[in-house]
Amino acid sequence: DAGVTQSPTHLIKTRGQQVTLRCSPISGHKSVSWYQQVLGQGPQFIFQYYEKEERGRGNFPDRFSARQFPNYSSELNVNALLLGDSALYLCASSLPREGPVNEQYFGPGTRLTVT
Amino acid sequence: AQSVTQPDIHITVSEGASLELRCNYSYGATPYLFWYVQSPGQGLQLLLKYFSGDTLVQGIKGFEAEFKRSQSSFNLRKPSVHWSDAAEYFCAVGARGGGGNKLTFGTGTQLKVEL
Repeated sequence: DAGVTQSPTHLIKTRGQQVTLRCSPISGHKSVSWYQQVLGQGPQFIFQYYEKEERGRGNFPDRFSARQFPNYSSELNVNALLLGDSALYLCASSLPREGPVNEQYFGPGTRLTVT
Repeated sequence: AQSVTQPDIHITVSEGASLELRCNYSYGATPYLFWYVQSPGQGLQLLLKYFSGDTLVQGIKGFEAEFKRSQSSFNLRKPSVHWSDAAEYFCAVGARGGGGNKLTFGTGTQLKVEL
């Protein structure tokens, strides 16, 4: 079975530009989460989406937004890019269910460089 | 708010030697704990998880971890390290809050294996 896929693999943008990153979850998974991993740090939670609705948001500015589509794929948008947005953006999918927090399965990430 | 501390930034072991990576967490309720591994330029792979029950959990690739509530720890162990285990290891605590399902990661431990 295919794992979580992300596109593009690498991206170079200029300060002030906008970027869209894409994610397809594992087949059968209905929840997608986005994380930002700055070099030398652990991933930081940005958003979780389930059934096309935002279910959680981390401490990120409004320049960051996301959406989920009927096929459960997702896009992350970042406006007015800053140098500090340079990072590896990771998408994770999970099976939502009641009870324990679900294990999340990560894609390979999109490396964004802002110049 | 939950947090994770990984005290060791870098660890070097010889191939065949045993390994223990430390993780301490802070969380007010029952913690859901995870270990992930990340190879250079790759996403995160789930090694093992603790939700409840037996405090010694087994994972993939011969790894195990022990949950100690009294010490707020979830250390990762492997009896005999292989050169292919060289990677970065992240401990994470999961939480449900505000409808979301997010992971909070430590800053990681970089493992180097000497042949």
